[in-house]
Amino acid sequence: GAVVSQHPSRVICKSGTSVKIECRSLDFQATTMFWYRQFPKKSLMLMATSNEGSKATYEQGVEKDKFLINHASLTLSTLTVTSAHPEDSSFYICSARGDRAYEQYFGPGTRLTVT
Amino acid sequence: DAKTTQPPSMDCAEGRAANLPCNHSTISGNEYVYWYRQIHSQGPQYIIHGLKNNETNEMASLIITEDRKSSTLILPHATLRDTAVYYCIPRGGNEKLTFGTGTRLTIIP
Repeated sequence: GAVVSQHPSRVICKSGTSVKIECRSLDFQATTMFWYRQFPKKSLMLMATSNEGSKATYEQGVEKDKFLINHASLTLSTLTVTSAHPEDSSFYICSARGDRAYEQYFGPGTRLTVT
Repeated sequence: DAKTTQPPSMDCAEGRAANLPCNHSTISGNEYVYWYRQIHSQGPQYIIHGLKNNETNEMASLIITEDRKSSTLILPHATLRDTAVYYCIPRGGNEKLTFGTGTRLTIIP
């Protein structure tokens, strides 16, 4: 399958700071990218969907001003957690989909710990 | 989105076939059945998908009942590396992938 990378894989930051997570599709053009969040022992929860060059569509209950998503190119999307708090500590996973809707691939995830 | 019901956990002996069931009785006509798995602390991995015919690839086989209300994912010769949470997800067209609670499959040596 196609490869999706995320960087960093782990990050620890202090409360009140902002953290940027990058998601790249390495061998295909991702017209749509998705950001998920996963708490321990829970399932993945979709946070937002973004199409290249458009504003992201956020799921109900997800603060768009806190979780800034940029999908500036067909191979890169970023998620910025602004003014992070300990409750934002989670496993963040991106996913990319190309022209063929049935092909959707996931990154390895980024574990964020806010102290 | 169609709702799914999967057993919360299953065990399978190494080398045996693992059969993971999924009920999706409210699936609509244009929704495919997708299967993904998530190994601990990794992103989900695509396994297979199908509409109404049975499907097979290098990873698994997917058996869909004639009425499409349920399906079974078959891992023919389970290995320890197949220990993961398996998700059955009905999805149509360009819809989002919505994850349920899945089945935690443990392969026993």
